[in-house]
Amino acid sequence: QKEVEQNSGPLSVPEGAIASLNCTYSDRGSQSFFWYRQYSGKSPELIMSIYSNGDKEDGRFTAQLNKASQYVSLLIRDSQPSDSATYLCAVNTFDGQNFVFGPGTRLSVLP
Amino acid sequence: DAGITQSPRHKVTETGTPVTLRCHQTENHRYMYWYRQDPGHGLRLIHYSYGVKDTDKGEVSDGYSVSRSKTEDFLLTLESATSSQTSVYFCASNGDRAQGYTFGSGTRLTVV
Repeated sequence: QKEVEQNSGPLSVPEGAIASLNCTYSDRGSQSFFWYRQYSGKSPELIMSIYSNGDKEDGRFTAQLNKASQYVSLLIRDSQPSDSATYLCAVNTFDGQNFVFGPGTRLSVLP
Repeated sequence: DAGITQSPRHKVTETGTPVTLRCHQTENHRYMYWYRQDPGHGLRLIHYSYGVKDTDKGEVSDGYSVSRSKTEDFLLTLESATSSQTSVYFCASNGDRAQGYTFGSGTRLTVV
């Protein structure tokens, strides 16, 4: 059973702080990793992709991947109330057919 | 214009009736997917398509069928709706299997 796990939250951080979201996965053969943001009542929106070990930065977002530990994380710097949403981690299956999603972590940024 | 649209946005139907949800994309993406999202379960794959007339089952395919007669359209049919199929249904697409998805706006289906 291929699994992707995330803490459900809610994770509460004050405005301006760094929010750290974590995801672990079970399939060692996974090669593609994504973070989506989903506002309440809306569809998921792709915000970051990462394919290689290490860090990838895009604006206030940094994705971190450690394949040996089967761990991917998302850091949000200078968190804003508008970042309050559920963040979904998605990992591709070893056969590359599709993606498995984690249950999501709800983030609340407090003004 | 949205690259991927779903219809209807909301639907209430009775147990035992067939229901078809439609997904239309203008991205010319080869791959299309149907997911359902439920509290406590996250997004779960129902069926996916890797080309016209090429489809395969996902994790939760029982009670669902799909068809893809054109690149841009992917239909999901609940053959005989049950209350357990009350959910939010999302269609997604990508042009390459290693790429992230573009999601539609979702269809909220209630089976009474």
